[in-house]
Amino acid sequence: NAGVTQTPKFQVLKTGQSMTLQCAQDMNHNSMYWYRQDPGMGLRLIYYSASEGTTDKGEVPNGYNVSRLNKREFSLRLESAAPSQTSVYFCASSEPGQGAKGQYFGPGTRLTVT
Amino acid sequence: AQSVSQHNHHVILSEAASLELGCNYSYGGTVNLFWYVQYPGQHLQLLLKYFSGDPLVKGIKGFEAEFIKSKFSFNLRKPSVQWSDTAEYFCAVSPLSGYSTLTFGKGTMLLVSP
Repeated sequence: NAGVTQTPKFQVLKTGQSMTLQCAQDMNHNSMYWYRQDPGMGLRLIYYSASEGTTDKGEVPNGYNVSRLNKREFSLRLESAAPSQTSVYFCASSEPGQGAKGQYFGPGTRLTVT
Repeated sequence: AQSVSQHNHHVILSEAASLELGCNYSYGGTVNLFWYVQYPGQHLQLLLKYFSGDPLVKGIKGFEAEFIKSKFSFNLRKPSVQWSDTAEYFCAVSPLSGYSTLTFGKGTMLLVSP
């Protein structure tokens, strides 16, 4: 079991460029999440998908879009990157309703927008 | 909406010292509580969790936490820290009602000097 995998591990973008962060899990979890982590801010939820075919906004969704491609994969897209989106992005997964009972995190993508 | 407050942003201890990291949450109903740990350069890992029952929960690596409902607190403790405990620690809460997501505190950076 690889658990939760993310690609790429590192990325540098120029302001205005777009990119998609990929996330996949092999634990047969129904729910998946995208967070950003900034120094002194903890983790903040960007978007989540309670189950395949559904997505919902979290605390900080502006400037992002998501796609729940299938049960395994949940991607995060930056359409026009801004320096404020420089952050470390984590994907996580869990059983439904058990988002409450513990999430499993991927290794993260460190994104720098210049 | 729920919120989580972690008392200290940075804690510095010597090896063998005892550790207590404070966490308070704000929510009117029943919650599940978690502590996650992030070692340098790594992703978040679940340290321990409280759902119900005995308010004193034990986690991995000798950590434990006590849920005090009347104080809305879930403090993390370890009797004797090691250099390898150097990491950032996050408290998180999730309400039991409906579909719920995790809300994280801003984290406490623990540095253990040998």
